[in-house]
Amino acid sequence: AQSVTQLGSHVSVSEGALVLLRCNYSSSVPPYLFWYVQYPNQGLQLLLKYTSAATLVKGINGFEAEFKKSETSFHLTKPSAHMSDAAEYFCAVSTSGGYQKVTFGIGTKLQVIP
Amino acid sequence: DAGVIQSPRHEVTEMGQEVTLRCKPISGHNSLFWYRQTMMRGLELLIYFNNNVPIDDSGMPEDRFSAKMPNASFSTLKIQPSEPRDSAVYFCASSEGGDNQPQHFGDGTRLSIL
Repeated sequence: AQSVTQLGSHVSVSEGALVLLRCNYSSSVPPYLFWYVQYPNQGLQLLLKYTSAATLVKGINGFEAEFKKSETSFHLTKPSAHMSDAAEYFCAVSTSGGYQKVTFGIGTKLQVIP
Repeated sequence: DAGVIQSPRHEVTEMGQEVTLRCKPISGHNSLFWYRQTMMRGLELLIYFNNNVPIDDSGMPEDRFSAKMPNASFSTLKIQPSEPRDSAVYFCASSEGGDNQPQHFGDGTRLSIL
């Protein structure tokens, strides 16, 4: 079984401040991990993915995430928040086994304060 | 490169009516997913197709819901009869298949059942 926990359903940061969105996963086998972003009235878009090639993954729009096996975490960060980063962010986990079932977290809404 | 195309974008109908949502996946993708998103329950997987065959429909709420994929370029999700509690945003997503492949989402259909 696999699961994802996103800590904090709402996060507020000031423009220019560090963005940190937390994600912890549970998986009995090595996982594939994803971060998606959803803007209002749109579908989810891939930000970045971890597939075991490198523990620090860089994505679009200046975001990156670090896979830490010992902490079962895959937190998303961005050094300096921009107003356009205001959106909902979803962490997701997938495991190998021939069936591409992805489990999504509940989502974290990021508010950027000018 | 065309993304996942869903229609209609918005649907408002009365309770008891039949509703059909449509999805055109990205060409070459062999996996297709239908999701439902609500404030209360977040993003829920309804059904997953691989090579046009339903693999997992355990998320389909009840017999009022049905989904088909007659060919690689088209899928439908049907609700008959519709009920107010079916009101939600329904997303279709496709992927190349494989556990490490991201899903590409359409912009969704916002369904309101009066």
